[in-house]
Amino acid sequence: SQKIEQNSEALNIQEGKTATLTCNYTNYSPAYLQWYRQDPGRGPVFLLLIRENEKEKRKERLKVTFDTTLKQSLFHITASQPADSATYLCALAASGAGSYQLTFGKGTKLSVIP
Amino acid sequence: NAGVTQTPKFQVLKTGQSMTLQCAQDMNHEYMSWYRQDPGMGLRLIHYSVGAGITDQGEVPNGYNVSRSTTEDFPLRLLSAAPSQTSVYFCASSRTDANTGELFFGEGSRLTVL
Repeated sequence: SQKIEQNSEALNIQEGKTATLTCNYTNYSPAYLQWYRQDPGRGPVFLLLIRENEKEKRKERLKVTFDTTLKQSLFHITASQPADSATYLCALAASGAGSYQLTFGKGTKLSVIP
Repeated sequence: NAGVTQTPKFQVLKTGQSMTLQCAQDMNHEYMSWYRQDPGMGLRLIHYSVGAGITDQGEVPNGYNVSRSTTEDFPLRLLSAAPSQTSVYFCASSRTDANTGELFFGEGSRLTVL
């Protein structure tokens, strides 16, 4: 069966360091992968999308990589700040699936410690 | 910019009661969807719609009905609430012709069924 796993439920990191979050998937042929940020009591907010034929995407302090051989995406936040503390969700859109039927991972809660 | 608006934000029901969660978007998005989010389970797709008059089931549709009479509105109906439907519900929308497939989420509706 199809599965998406985010490597850990929680990640603590010191301010200024690079946070790296992992999203692994099995039994998928993804058309693209997205990352969202979710703050407590709020809806998820879109951050980045990376397509199956792209290796890396950047947006300000954020970087996403996508390795379809390893079936893995890495999400990096460089120079992390306490304001980056949130839960980060990865989501996959499978090739050939109905429009935008995204499947979400359970999320990783990131805490950036001052 | 209202975006995606969900009402109510909080609701308590007794088992067997019915109710409708409202969702409206003002971005003229063709695609709308409902997810539920439970601790340890992540976001799971309940129903979705690719346009007015068109709806389809997601991963966990049982116990829920939807309709899409207009582009703007996509209500979610619980006909006979059960304690297993205690959850946080998110409505989301996107353009179907977007290259990103970015989902715009509402702020959520927290439902408790006693």
